[in-house]
Amino acid sequence: GQQVMQIPQYQHVQEGEDFTTYCNSSTTLSNIQWYKQRPGGHPVFLIQLVKSGEVKKQKRLTFQFGEAKKNSSLHITATQTTDVGTYFCAAPLGDNNDMRFGAGTRLTVKP
Amino acid sequence: GAVVSQHPSWVICKSGTSVKIECRSLDFQATTMFWYRQFPKQSLMLMATSNEGSKATYEQGVEKDKFLINHASLTLSTLTVTSAHPEDSSFYICSAGRRQQGNTIYFGEGSWLTVV
Repeated sequence: GQQVMQIPQYQHVQEGEDFTTYCNSSTTLSNIQWYKQRPGGHPVFLIQLVKSGEVKKQKRLTFQFGEAKKNSSLHITATQTTDVGTYFCAAPLGDNNDMRFGAGTRLTVKP
Repeated sequence: GAVVSQHPSWVICKSGTSVKIECRSLDFQATTMFWYRQFPKQSLMLMATSNEGSKATYEQGVEKDKFLINHASLTLSTLTVTSAHPEDSSFYICSAGRRQQGNTIYFGEGSWLTVV
């Protein structure tokens, strides 16, 4: 079925370095959402992007939605150990506009 | 914000028995709830969409008779894993959408199922 492709699968950075994860879809998306899941926890909603070319910021996190609404990225500036977790993008796809998740990018941060 | 509660958080059952997991939206009415399954270090895989008052819509490859979903009210959906086997051991998590907020979905805390 329709999917959202997310890369990279893993990213290990030194504390203070930047981090970016990318999501791509073959179809135009009505919106895309980003979630963070800490080890052992459940996904927590971070943000939703709706408009073409939209950029939103949350402190050190910058979220972008592509002009064609087919791709999105999450960028973290100067990572901290508290940023550790898996970041998922999700978008409504399929017949029922079910939320489908990307594979996730697992971020580890070395202090 | 909206709250979705899931129970139990942890359950261990014997092979061959059935386990029921509840998902409740505490402060909004959810006409649709979603059930996902997540294996360790993997993504969330949609199992089925639970619709209040009607049959659930299952994803391809998900056995309807094994994973029974009931959406009895606008605030409660249940997933019953029937005749559980060790390979059913996984993290099951539900979510509910709130249309007033652009269909943002909110997740329950998840349920860890271990079948021994």
